[in-house]
Amino acid sequence: QVQLIQSGAEVKKPGSSVKVSCKSSGGAFSSYAISWIRQAPGQGLEWMGRVIPILDESVYAQKFQGKITISADRSTATAYLELTSLRSEDTALFYCASGESLDSWGQGTLVTVSS
Amino acid sequence: SYELTQPSSVSVSPGQTARITCSGDVLAKKYARWFQQKPGQVPVMVIYKDSERPSGIPERFSGSSSGTTVTLTISGAQVEDEADYYCYSAADNDWMFGGGTKLTVL
Repeated sequence: QVQLIQSGAEVKKPGSSVKVSCKSSGGAFSSYAISWIRQAPGQGLEWMGRVIPILDESVYAQKFQGKITISADRSTATAYLELTSLRSEDTALFYCASGESLDSWGQGTLVTVSS
Repeated sequence: SYELTQPSSVSVSPGQTARITCSGDVLAKKYARWFQQKPGQVPVMVIYKDSERPSGIPERFSGSSSGTTVTLTISGAQVEDEADYYCYSAADNDWMFGGGTKLTVL
């Protein structure tokens, strides 16, 4: 059973960037996709994109292209989500999840953008 | 790109059957999954491959598929089933959630 542990909450200034991590254990990290999912306050789940570590390939939902970078470090079994040019509207809870079926989820990381 | 459409809300009384639909062209060729999310909690999968139930999910949860629509059915809904429900499907490089349905059981 894959377990995903995410980094802690972040508070950022507008215009800055943030990088959230998702460390995997209990599975063959390189072989399955890691997706990132956004949940803005009071809103639904949005699939942002995914990385397949063994292919070093990332795919992004059209809405988030140019805004995010998803990457993975196979040596530490850790996936990353970087968001740039942060605005208050980027305040959200971000989840990572494994596999095409989103079988396992991280606990979520709250990113707050505030001046 | 594909889209998945759900009703924004469904309301039933305890013991009644709740049905939540999800529609989208992608569902004619790709499986759907259903996630339940209670306030402040991480989403939990309650149905995969349109109609399969993961271990630990009560038998009152079931799923079905017809053409471009999938349906989550909760037979004899309980107060504890009150939650947001999201359908999800993965097509090629276009993976997506429906907008979510708030199920009220009261």
